[in-house]
Amino acid sequence: DIVMTQSPDSLTVSLGERATLNCKSSQSLLYNSNNKNYLGWYQQKPGQPPKLLIYWASTRESGVPDRFSGSGSGTDFTLTISSLQAEDVAVYYCQQYYDTPHTFGRGTKLEIK
Amino acid sequence: QVQLQESGPGLVKPSETMSLTCTVSGDSIRRGDHYWGWIRQSPGKGLEWIGYVYWTGSTSYNPSLKSRLTISVATSKNQFSLNLRSVTVADTAVYYCARGSLYFDYWGQGTLVTVSA
Repeated sequence: DIVMTQSPDSLTVSLGERATLNCKSSQSLLYNSNNKNYLGWYQQKPGQPPKLLIYWASTRESGVPDRFSGSGSGTDFTLTISSLQAEDVAVYYCQQYYDTPHTFGRGTKLEIK
Repeated sequence: QVQLQESGPGLVKPSETMSLTCTVSGDSIRRGDHYWGWIRQSPGKGLEWIGYVYWTGSTSYNPSLKSRLTISVATSKNQFSLNLRSVTVADTAVYYCARGSLYFDYWGQGTLVTVSA
């Protein structure tokens, strides 16, 4: 199975500041035939299901604020929140769908300083 | 607006079969535009992909669960279901149904299933 490792486990950022969350896969998620990275990012708030933010590593889901952006390729990926808002407090997960079983990281808990 | 809703018993005894159903509204499983999947979440294992089904009945399962798992579809009811046999306490989790085969763009609210005698 592909192992997804997220860092840090928790992150505290001031309102309006940038938050950078990392995700590393145990093998490349780049499919050469279409040049796509098979990686998604989700946001989960307490008592709610995960919400899709980003797919194909950098494509923002419809309705997601543009302060959220995804980057990276191969095995190293980043989710950036450009200006942290109070409503962004949540746990963030990355997921690979390059191969089955699809696997998730353990999450990064984002809090306000 | 696409909505998914899980239903089923919240308590299952060890060695018995867990059966959950997901009812879809706002989209048609039969149209074939999407796959339909199950994911579970527990404190110990985090988020775990279980598998998915297509309207034709074609499936893909997590190998770690494959020997105990059946995911099926009832297009006339716009529902799909999960049956997990011979459950143990390790199967205690919140079970989500979701739309998608790669990434999941719509999720149900989740249902807690506890395995206990």
